[in-house]
Formats: sequence, C-alpha cells, structure tokens
Amino acid sequence: DIQLTQSPSFLSASVGDRVTITCRASQGISSYLAWYQQKPGKAPKLLIYSASTLQSGVPSRFSGSGSGTEFTLTISSLQPEDFATYYCQQLNHYPLTFGGGTKVEIK
Amino acid sequence: EVQLLESGGGLVQPGGSLRLSCAASGFTFSTYAMSWVRQAPGKGLEWVSTITSGGGGTYYADSVKGRFTISRDTSKNTLYLQMNSLRAEDSAIYYCAKPYSSLIFFDYWGLGTLVTVSS
Repeated sequence: DIQLTQSPSFLSASVGDRVTITCRASQGISSYLAWYQQKPGKAPKLLIYSASTLQSGVPSRFSGSGSGTEFTLTISSLQPEDFATYYCQQLNHYPLTFGGGTKVEIK
Repeated sequence: EVQLLESGGGLVQPGGSLRLSCAASGFTFSTYAMSWVRQAPGKGLEWVSTITSGGGGTYYADSVKGRFTISRDTSKNTLYLQMNSLRAEDSAIYYCAKPYSSLIFFDYWGLGTLVTVSS
C-alpha cells in the first residue's frame, strides 16, 4: 500500500502568511495526487488535482506542485476562511490512501 | 446540481449489520465509478470502497474486505454499502463520493451518515 505522510500535522499561522504543507508518498505516484480542505462538521472540498491543477472555483492563492514522491500545497496569503484541515490523497493505486491531515489554526 | 444524499446510518451492536444508501442526482450516475470514504470521530479520512461505473469491478480497503459489500442500482441512481460483522472501529461518518472523472479523486461528497457500533 502507498503511505502518504503529511507535514506538519499542525500549523499555527496568521492571516496573510504564506503556508506550505508537504505530502510525501512511500513510492512514486507520478502526479496522481489531490488535495482537499475540510472544515469542522463539513465534507471535504476538492482544491487541487493531478498535483497542480486548481479545481474550478478555488481561489488562486492555493497552488500545488510536485511529482513522484514529494508534493506541496501552498497558500500564498492565508485568509480567515482558510483555517481548516487539509488532506492529500493518492489515486495511483488501490487501495486509495489519504495523508493524515494538516490542521491550520489561527496564531 | 450534483447531489449525494446518504442514509441508513445509526447505532448497531458489535457483530451486527447495516446497509447504507446514497441517492445520487444531477449527473449521469451510470457513467461514474462511485466510492465510500469514512471518517472516525476526530480522525482523518479513510477510503473504504469503490465500484466501477458498470458495477463489474469493486475495490475494498483491507480493513473492510470480506465484511463490506459495495453495490449500485443504476435504475434508482443509488449506491449502497452493506456492512456486516461490524466492529467498534467501524464507527465513523460514512461519505458517498463522486469522482471527477476516470481518475478517482472526488469532486462531490455527500453530507455523510453516522454509524456507531457500540453495545
């Protein structure tokens, strides 16, 4: 099974900060990676797919990069509505797997 | 507008069974693979199962293999998850999820249905 390790697991940041979250895969997955945002009590929301393609309607301050085993999600200028938990997901092989999540909280 | 509405969750004793349903609308259900993803209270996301668009292919997480069965009824635009031999660790919110395309990442999710396994 492909393991996804997200870091950090917790992040405290201020509005306007640049934030970077890393997702490392235990084996190469090409660009078969997606990123989601989840707020408390809500279903996850797709942000980025194919490692770097922004889902329609998602603000351009979100961006993704990487391929193979190392990926990053960057928020260029953190906004109040961005405080949430972020997950990566690999879709290269079954079983599909998610990273453990990164909780972004207000400093 | 795409809508996914799960139902069937509830409280069940260990060893019991439950069947979840997901009513889909707003897209051509028969042309998409569909999946279940769960989230235990305070925990992360865990993929559970996927069924191909035609229903001929099914995939399961090792944690549920042999106990859960995914199926679909295209005439009713409904996805199912039959859960048998339930354990405490199966307690979670179960989400029905639609993939963006043939690639299995999820652009639409239901609101989820809560399953609690407890005596």
